Amino acid sequence: AQSVTQPDIHITVSEGASLELRCNYSYGATPYLFWYVQSPGQGLQLLLKYFSGDTLVQGIKGFEAEFKRSQSSFNLRKPSVHWSDAAEYFCASTTSGTYKYIFGTGTRLKVLA
Amino acid sequence: DAGITQSPRHKVTETGTPVTLRCHQTENHRYMYWYRQDPGHGLRLIHYSYGVKDTDKGEVSDGYSVSRSKTEDFLLTLESATSSQTSVYFCAISEGSVTNYGYTFGSGTRLTVV
Repeated sequence: AQSVTQPDIHITVSEGASLELRCNYSYGATPYLFWYVQSPGQGLQLLLKYFSGDTLVQGIKGFEAEFKRSQSSFNLRKPSVHWSDAAEYFCASTTSGTYKYIFGTGTRLKVLA
Repeated sequence: DAGITQSPRHKVTETGTPVTLRCHQTENHRYMYWYRQDPGHGLRLIHYSYGVKDTDKGEVSDGYSVSRSKTEDFLLTLESATSSQTSVYFCAISEGSVTNYGYTFGSGTRLTVV
């Protein structure tokens, strides 16, 4: 069965430091992968998505993610974190032609001033 | 915003009472979804709709029903609320397949069952 794992429940980084949030997927074929961000009290907002082609995808707010088939991973990165990036981040996957996501359990990011 | 609103934003209800949550969209999107969000579980799909009067179950549908009589409205009903249904409920919409369009989420409804 398709699944998405986010191994880190909480991550704390200092403002200006680099960030990497981990996401691993389990699926036989190439999945479609997404990262969403949720600010406190808000719904989820799409950061970026991977369908095919270039394995490094750029998103909004300076985020990027790299698809690595050999590691079944789709990690989210940002070179320099801002205090406003403090939020919860969700990785999600789906397959071609479907209408439903499988979400990971989320990683809550704390940013220290 | 993409024109999706949820009501109410917060609700406290007693065990055993029926509760209806509303999702309203102004985007004329075909697909609508109800998710619940709980710590340690991420988001889990309750029900979804692929058109007026066309709905299907998600992974955690027990105790919930839905109705969609108009394109713009998708209602989630807890027939007899239980404490295990205390959660944050999110509605989402999609123009088409999520592989092409992704979701747009509402701001959520925080439901407490006492």
